[in-house]
Amino acid sequence: RKEVEQDPGPFNVPEGATVAFNCTYSNSASQSFFWYRQDCRKEPKLLMSVYSSGNEDGRFTAQLNRASQYISLLIRDSKLSDSATYLCVVNRGGGSNYKLTFGKGTLLTVNP
Amino acid sequence: GAGVSQSPRYKVAKRGQDVALRCDPISGHVSLFWYQQALGQGPEFLTYFQNEAQLDKSGLPSDRFFAERPEGSVSTLKIQRTQQEDSAVYLCASSLETGNYGYTFGSGTRLTVV
Repeated sequence: RKEVEQDPGPFNVPEGATVAFNCTYSNSASQSFFWYRQDCRKEPKLLMSVYSSGNEDGRFTAQLNRASQYISLLIRDSKLSDSATYLCVVNRGGGSNYKLTFGKGTLLTVNP
Repeated sequence: GAGVSQSPRYKVAKRGQDVALRCDPISGHVSLFWYQQALGQGPEFLTYFQNEAQLDKSGLPSDRFFAERPEGSVSTLKIQRTQQEDSAVYLCASSLETGNYGYTFGSGTRLTVV
């Protein structure tokens, strides 16, 4: 089983739609969780950290369920500019807490 | 500088050639990381430096891969005798601290081995 598994996608949605991405991780020692966004042929950029209490940043809401080892990202009122690959990222925890483990990514295309 | 700078942006190497990829981290960032991203995959960890010390090189795929950061600033990833399977984007990231923070990545070097 891979350390971080994401919805395979791709997702094609119309502008204004709500879309949700799901992610599971296998290492229960993981301490920090993130969603990164990667545009085509660009570097990954931090979208938001994910906290146990859930957190929101404008149209984006991230949730973490430590018991289920499950992370989600919800995008409301999607825009054309949201088209990108979304990467679920987990740190190893413990003595390797510097090491980020990335999922394969889920490609989102928002259509006009 | 304002961000993490990597060079070259693109590199085409003939199989068996040695290559050197450079990373200039954000000024003052203690931690530096190299990741490898194959087509259609997420980035995979290669190695980690804290200042000039290479604390983890467990992700380097073979002994053909070597990384250094001699003065605790600029880092070089060297690949000897390149193979086709080395074709990937090599991403460098830096951070003030580790653990609970997301890292800032450079634009990467896209290596194609022909």
